[in-house]
Amino acid sequence: DQQVKQNSPSLSVQEGRISILNCDYTNSMFDYFLWYKKYPAEGPTFLISISSIKDKNEDGRFTVFLNKSAKHLSLHIVPSQPGDSAVYFCAASGKGGGSNYKLTFGKGTLLTVNP
Amino acid sequence: DVKVTQSSRYLVKRTGEKVFLECVQDMDHENMFWYRQDPGLGLRLIYFSYDVKMKEKGDIPEGYSVSREKKERFSLILESASTNQTSMYLCASSTPGGRVEQYFGPGTRLTVT
Repeated sequence: DQQVKQNSPSLSVQEGRISILNCDYTNSMFDYFLWYKKYPAEGPTFLISISSIKDKNEDGRFTVFLNKSAKHLSLHIVPSQPGDSAVYFCAASGKGGGSNYKLTFGKGTLLTVNP
Repeated sequence: DVKVTQSSRYLVKRTGEKVFLECVQDMDHENMFWYRQDPGLGLRLIYFSYDVKMKEKGDIPEGYSVSREKKERFSLILESASTNQTSMYLCASSTPGGRVEQYFGPGTRLTVT
């Protein structure tokens, strides 16, 4: 029973264009959402987060949008750069995950930004 | 800056061996976590601890145990390593309360032959 779903295993975009990574969740008790970025042979690094009381959070080139009614969030990267090539994990937290500090992760999306 | 360190980057063990993976964090975080990452499966939680000597099972605890004798150190133990435990193991820590961001170590690539 996958509570956080990233349905696209991979995404390829051209440098300078927009990258859009999508994530769906099934548990309405989740109230905080995060995106992590992971390079090969390194641990994931926190990228950006959003609380369920907001519908948008922006940090430089990265923007996360949350649509609670659709149980959907997306990460936009504009403009995309080759250094953004990595696996991106969506994660959710809240009472639906069993405790308010556990994270439930999606399976990840491999983003490749071509020069 | 939060720093989470793991004792080994790469480890090769034989089937049946007892394996210890060590994790240390330097930010006085209460919560610590062990995950494994496998291709196509994402990050799966093995065990976590919210205080010294406290532990809770995650989603895939079978074949593993943990130890937390000091706040800064969280150990993952493979009692009798098997080939299906070949994986990338990631340790993370976080503070309780409003912020739930977890900070990850660099990972240990374990190969069981």
